[in-house]
Amino acid sequence: QSALTQPASVSGSPGQSITISCTGTSSDVGGDNFVSWYQQHPGKAPKLMIYDVTNRPSGVSNRFSGSKSGDTASLTISGLQAEDEADYYCSSRRSSSTLAVFGGGTKLTVL
Amino acid sequence: QVQLVQSGAEVKKPGASVKVSCKASGYTFTDYYIHWVRQAPGQGLEWMGWINPNSGGTNYAQKFQDRVTMTRDTSISTAYMEVSGLRSDDTAVYFCARDRIELWLRTEFDPWGQGTLVTVSS
Repeated sequence: QSALTQPASVSGSPGQSITISCTGTSSDVGGDNFVSWYQQHPGKAPKLMIYDVTNRPSGVSNRFSGSKSGDTASLTISGLQAEDEADYYCSSRRSSSTLAVFGGGTKLTVL
Repeated sequence: QVQLVQSGAEVKKPGASVKVSCKASGYTFTDYYIHWVRQAPGQGLEWMGWINPNSGGTNYAQKFQDRVTMTRDTSISTAYMEVSGLRSDDTAVYFCARDRIELWLRTEFDPWGQGTLVTVSS
């Protein structure tokens, strides 16, 4: 079961916007809307930032947004802040199954 | 508040087994699936499988089907994940995480336990 494809790293300056892509197949990302995104700071557990492609849990800043086109999902962070520097992972359920898969992770550096 | 608290770090020798616990509080334990995810040092997240705390039913990623067993004890709201035949490449932080919506397997993980470091070394 191959992982979803994410860029290894992205960077941006404070106040700018960045987008992280997550490419899968029609059997996962493109197959349904159970796509989620997680933020992980060093030594910490991951935190859910986006679920069902576009939805933010209560308490997550509206600077975080999600979208999807075909087999590729995206996470956009606007108005970058130093605290956003972390690793970000996408995840999707395999269509017509109850299995899950993660992306390889993207390291965000705030310059 | 909803919380998952995991057992402490373990050091095991190759070939041994390890059992990690995940105690839930703040919600009805049997209403939400529990997932296990691991992260090797410096590496990404790897989904291992889930357990239905109500029925005890499980489903594992193909890679782990032969060596991983997930169980639960509903009397103490605790899920367990056991790995047998440990190898050096099983050295990782193991996380438990609850599925987001009750009674629905969406593979969306919230919240997470704090993680348990398992080190496999001779």
